[in-house]
Amino acid sequence: ETGVTQTPRHLVMGMTNKKSLKCEQHLGHNAMYWYKQSAKKPLELMFVYSLEERVENNSVPSRFSPECPNSSHLFLHLHTLQPEDSALYLCASSQDPPANRMGEQYFGPGTRLTVT
Amino acid sequence: AQSVAQPEDQVNVAEGNPLTVKCTYSVSGNPYLFWYVQYPNRGLQFLLKYITGDNLVKGSYGFEAEFNKSQTSFHLKKPSALVSDSALYFCAVRDNTGANNLFFGTGTRLTVIP
Repeated sequence: ETGVTQTPRHLVMGMTNKKSLKCEQHLGHNAMYWYKQSAKKPLELMFVYSLEERVENNSVPSRFSPECPNSSHLFLHLHTLQPEDSALYLCASSQDPPANRMGEQYFGPGTRLTVT
Repeated sequence: AQSVAQPEDQVNVAEGNPLTVKCTYSVSGNPYLFWYVQYPNRGLQFLLKYITGDNLVKGSYGFEAEFNKSQTSFHLKKPSALVSDSALYFCAVRDNTGANNLFFGTGTRLTVIP
């Protein structure tokens, strides 16, 4: 998958560690997203960036901190996580044209995070 | 508030038989509806979308979906299932207020039996 890439693919971290997830989109899109995917739960939208500005923050704990330095890159900085934060973290991007035509989102392969 | 329901956690179908994966939605205003598929250790892949127009939407890999406004449904269908169609399928809805959010269902695991 060359459209949206994510690194690392797997991450194991202790509760006191600090780590970052990286996402890069090669599609020329103007919006990027972080989702959390846990078993038997709907995908949870965490953050949305449109034109590099954060437009959505769905009551995500402050131990998750996003950063979008440009329209192609998105980071999720992790600090003092809890075991219940273990999940698959998915990045997505889309091209959002005028409001009456909505574009589909393209997803990366995800980072499988395990907090011990 | 927008929401999506996928009533079946698991669907099993024999190879060559038609398949249906169900989805119902709740949204204010006109819905924008999407189907995604997720293969093991992969991200979600876009299959098809309904924005406006013809109620029968054709997508990738021979899949199609029918938008039914009166039943608020958007079921995914394929006339003849392949073993390689076995995966996790997600329905999603987005409203037309200009927000960038997609609301996903819990997913349905499709298993095609050889």
